[in-house]
Amino acid sequence: EAEVAQSPRYKITEKSQAVAFWCDPISGHATLYWYRQILGQGPELLVQFQDESVVDDSQLPKDRFSAERLKGVDSTLKIQPAELGDSAMYLCASSRRDRGRRNEQFFGPGTRLTVL
Amino acid sequence: GQQLNQSPQSMFIQEGEDVSMNCTSSSIFNTWLWYKQEPGEGPVLLIALYKAGELTSNGRLTAQFGITRKDSFLNISASIPSDVGIYFCAGRPYSGGGADGLTFGKGTHLIIQP
Repeated sequence: EAEVAQSPRYKITEKSQAVAFWCDPISGHATLYWYRQILGQGPELLVQFQDESVVDDSQLPKDRFSAERLKGVDSTLKIQPAELGDSAMYLCASSRRDRGRRNEQFFGPGTRLTVL
Repeated sequence: GQQLNQSPQSMFIQEGEDVSMNCTSSSIFNTWLWYKQEPGEGPVLLIALYKAGELTSNGRLTAQFGITRKDSFLNISASIPSDVGIYFCAGRPYSGGGADGLTFGKGTHLIIQP
């Protein structure tokens, strides 16, 4: 069964350092999402891509966060510099995004970030 | 950011009991979804609902899309130990402009006592 891949699974960093997370969506899925999940809360959308284009980044803290999907397949989310409040699970999801289809979002296992 | 109102926050039940949880929103959604998340893992899709009033089952799970389009509920019948986890509701807005990121509830933590 096809799955969304994410790496690393765990990352510990010190504040003010740069961190990067990688996501490979399910093959054939044109839409890719990054969510952040703080402990005890539900996931919150950071950014949505359709192919290589950003569709929605209204909740992305652009002073320190950046995301790219250069070839419309895998994606990287970067934080520079990391702050203590960035400690969270970072989840990637993908969907087919075909017209007229019911486009469910499937999630990867996430990257657990701890900022010290 | 906005989160849906999901209740209860946690449930302590005996194995074999039925479970019911619900989710409400101040906004209308085009799709309601229910996910389950286990510790250290990403959410796994359980049920998706696409039409107001729709009632859908997946094994022992049954979910309904509220007629007002602002609420949904999930029932689990005859709970078993592997049902333990955190259940999240999520709403997806109409995506005429392409943006269809999900809005999640805060989760219902299900704990089953043998």
